[in-house]
Amino acid sequence: DAKTTQPNSMESNEEEPVHLPCNHSTISGTDYIHWYRQLPSQGPEYVIHGLTSNVNNRMASLAIAEDRKSSTLILHRATLRDAAVYYCILRDGSSNTGKLIFGQGTTLQVKP
Amino acid sequence: DTGVSQDPRHKITKRGQNVTFRCDPISEHNRLYWYRQTLGQGPEFLTYFQNEAQLEKSRLLSDRFSAERPKGSFSTLEIQRTEQGDSAMYLCASSITGTSGRETQYFGPGTRLLVL
Repeated sequence: DAKTTQPNSMESNEEEPVHLPCNHSTISGTDYIHWYRQLPSQGPEYVIHGLTSNVNNRMASLAIAEDRKSSTLILHRATLRDAAVYYCILRDGSSNTGKLIFGQGTTLQVKP
Repeated sequence: DTGVSQDPRHKITKRGQNVTFRCDPISEHNRLYWYRQTLGQGPEFLTYFQNEAQLEKSRLLSDRFSAERPKGSFSTLEIQRTEQGDSAMYLCASSITGTSGRETQYFGPGTRLLVL
C-alpha cells in the first residue's frame, strides 16, 4: 500500500471546524482513501472513506484533491470527544488483501 | 452490544509463560484480523483469516505466535515463551469480504499484555 504523510499533532477549539490533512503523492488509481480514529484506550474506529469524489457521513466529511495526491478530513464542529489519533490509510481496490497499514497518525487535541 | 469483543482486556504475565487471547468478531463477518500496537505507534498487522483459513501472516509473527480460527467464528492468539518485547496492545478486527478498497474493519477494545 502507498504511504501517507500526516502532521504529528494538531489543536482545535471546541465547537470549531477541524481540517486534518493527509498527503499521498504516490497514490495509484485503484487506491481508496480511508480514515480511522483511535480514542484513548480504545481500538481504532472507522470514520470515512472515498475514491475520487468528496464524501459526507454523520461523523465527518472527506475532501479529496482533484489529482488525488492529498485529502482532508473535516470535522465540522469539534467536540471534546473528538480528541483522538486520526489515521489516513490507503487501501488498494485491486488487491484482495484486507490488512490495514497504519502510520503514526495525527493526534488531535480539542480545547474547551 | 454486538461489536467485536476481546478477552481478557488486561493480562500480566511473567517472562517465559504462555498466554492466549480470544476474539469474538461480529457474527456475520467472515474476515478476522489481529494487530499489535506498542505505545505511541499505530497498530501493526499480524495475521488475518477468511472463514477458517489463515490467508496472510506478517513477518512480525514469529514462531512463538500462533493464531487459530477453528470454526470460522471466534479466534485465539497464543504467544508461547513470552518476552518483555511482547508487551503491547493486541487488537482484533472483523469485516465482511467485499471490494478490498472499500472494506471497513470493526475493531475490538484490545487486550493489553504486560510481560514482567
